[in-house]
Amino acid sequence: GQSLEQPSEVTAVEGAIVQINCTYQTSGFYGLSWYQQHDGGAPTFLSYNALDGLEETGRFSSFLSRSDSYGYLLLQELQMKDSASYFCAVREGSGNTPLVFGKGTRLSVIA
Amino acid sequence: DAGVTQSPTHLIKTRGQQVTLRCSPISGHKSVSWYQQVLGQGPQFIFQYYEKEERGRGNFPDRFSARQFPNYSSELNVNALLLGDSALYLCASSLARQNYGYTFGSGTRLTVV
Repeated sequence: GQSLEQPSEVTAVEGAIVQINCTYQTSGFYGLSWYQQHDGGAPTFLSYNALDGLEETGRFSSFLSRSDSYGYLLLQELQMKDSASYFCAVREGSGNTPLVFGKGTRLSVIA
Repeated sequence: DAGVTQSPTHLIKTRGQQVTLRCSPISGHKSVSWYQQVLGQGPQFIFQYYEKEERGRGNFPDRFSARQFPNYSSELNVNALLLGDSALYLCASSLARQNYGYTFGSGTRLTVV
């Protein structure tokens, strides 16, 4: 079967750095994606890793280790608006195969 | 350009009824995927369509069906509604063979009473 494990909740202070981990067990692997979803909103794409290493996009970075079936999302200089749910997602095949999502991590940024 | 549009935004139905949800993908996107998101959980894959053909189906009962039209818009139908079908139904569009970046619509919030 397929499974993606993320912490259910994380709390961090405004201005700090937070890391959200994701471990996956899937039948195939064609990349790890991260999505952000604010309450009542749609998931929005943040980042994608197909190869091992770190990808940086502004305050957000994402890391992948395929040998460890592990990745993380790093959020720097946290802002109150970063309070949201964050989902890791894996594509198990190439082309038009669907994304499989984790259950999400609810991030609360406090003053 | 308009993003992914879904209609209606909210819907209340009674158990046993049928519902049709609609989705228009981003212009130029030929792939549409449907997801169900129960409160506090991640999106669960229901269907994927590409070029009007079903390309994938998740672990949902036959009460769930979908189709894609020549203009790449899509409908999701759910028959014989159960209380457990209450959820946010999300539509996502993507370019062909794109491996990562789905664009989601804002969803349809379905409540079954």
